[in-house]
Amino acid sequence: GAGVSQSPRYKVAKRGQDVALRCDPISGHVSLFWYQQALGQGPEFLTYFQNEAQLDKSGLPSDRFFAERPEGSVSTLKIQRTQQEDSAVYLCASSPRTGMNTEAFFGQGTRLTVV
Amino acid sequence: QQQVKQSPQSLIVQKGGISIINCAYENTAFDYFPWYQQFPGKGPALLIAIRPDVSEKKEGRFTISFNKSAKQFSLHIMDSQPGDSATYFCAASLNDKIIFGKGTRLHILP
Repeated sequence: GAGVSQSPRYKVAKRGQDVALRCDPISGHVSLFWYQQALGQGPEFLTYFQNEAQLDKSGLPSDRFFAERPEGSVSTLKIQRTQQEDSAVYLCASSPRTGMNTEAFFGQGTRLTVV
Repeated sequence: QQQVKQSPQSLIVQKGGISIINCAYENTAFDYFPWYQQFPGKGPALLIAIRPDVSEKKEGRFTISFNKSAKQFSLHIMDSQPGDSATYFCAASLNDKIIFGKGTRLHILP
């Protein structure tokens, strides 16, 4: 496909369960970003990769959140021991250039509900 | 501390009217100011963007006005159409991240 693909689209997790969210960026895009969007709010930055290097993880809310992009393409956001406050839409974006002061393309997101 | 403040929270405009959404920012180091449009169940999509050395940018029916001294910028949608009904986010970027406003839910009456 031509766009950023995220899977699954929806995930329901029991509190305490670990989850893994996948992002397939646009082929060849150097930069990859993860954002968290709570209901009715704007997206909030979680982390940024340039190729396989995680250059900024300042937005990850706790050490339960972990992201990786081992080969500089597909990325996975992992949340351990999920809690109700983790319920949100997790958005992935990619950009052909470094940084985000250029056009970035967002996926449709994964809606995570922790019950 | 909210670095990008957006208003109004919601907006209703008649078809054919002008929709205006305003944003203010704190950090003078921001170097890129995009507007994103988001439909329900979709990710945000870049609508139009401006850099601080330009006071206005127009693309079709969409115009950004930028006031660097006041640290404010706004989105104008001319001849608003029902298909423009969506949530709009202003944002500001520095280096590797974008800071989003809280969004404006726009509804265009047919």
